[in-house]
Amino acid sequence: DTGVSQNPRHKITKRGQNVTFRCDPISEHNRLYWYRQTLGQGPEFLTYFQNEAQLEKSRLLSDRFSAERPKGSFSTLEIQRTEQGDSAMYLCASRLTHTEAFFGQGTRLTVV
Amino acid sequence: DQQVKQNSPSLSVQEGRISILNCDYTNSMFDYFLWYKKYPAEGPTFLISISSIKDKNEDGRFTVFLNKSAKHLSLHIVPSQPGDSAVYFCAASGTGAGSYQLTFGKGTKLSVIP
Repeated sequence: DTGVSQNPRHKITKRGQNVTFRCDPISEHNRLYWYRQTLGQGPEFLTYFQNEAQLEKSRLLSDRFSAERPKGSFSTLEIQRTEQGDSAMYLCASRLTHTEAFFGQGTRLTVV
Repeated sequence: DQQVKQNSPSLSVQEGRISILNCDYTNSMFDYFLWYKKYPAEGPTFLISISSIKDKNEDGRFTVFLNKSAKHLSLHIVPSQPGDSAVYFCAASGTGAGSYQLTFGKGTKLSVIP
């Protein structure tokens, strides 16, 4: 499978716990994006990497959120001290410079 | 400030007829536009895209039209099929700093009635 892969597909966590999600992009894609989607809304931009450099981060993103892309390959998104409002689908996408972006299946986070 | 707007939350079309989904944008830095289809509990699936140097792009039953002066694009599906029933998102991106991200509309739920 050469598509974008996200793990885990589902995560249930207690409020206050930390969670980490992983995204493996399409191998030759240099751009990687994280989005969050809640019911009835379009995907909301969280952060963007070009190779290993994090070039953009949403101004709405809490300091509890952090993302890395070591060596410009896979990426991780960590949420610290989770809150119920963090419950959402977290989506990863990758693309070459100015082409279509391909999304993974997403990670569904439920904070109880 | 919503830079990409899909003003119709839902659309119902008879099977075999044309579906037209609309999208408006406000950011003049956008120069690449995409349509995605999404089923519940799945990631968005890329459908078709168009660069700002074109005004039309066609791929099988899907055609995207771009009107730069009006900052408007539309997706035409002909003929519509029941399997097309899904939420459709319009997205846009640019080449300037602050516009590399894909900015999405809120989506239009298409229902194709057999």
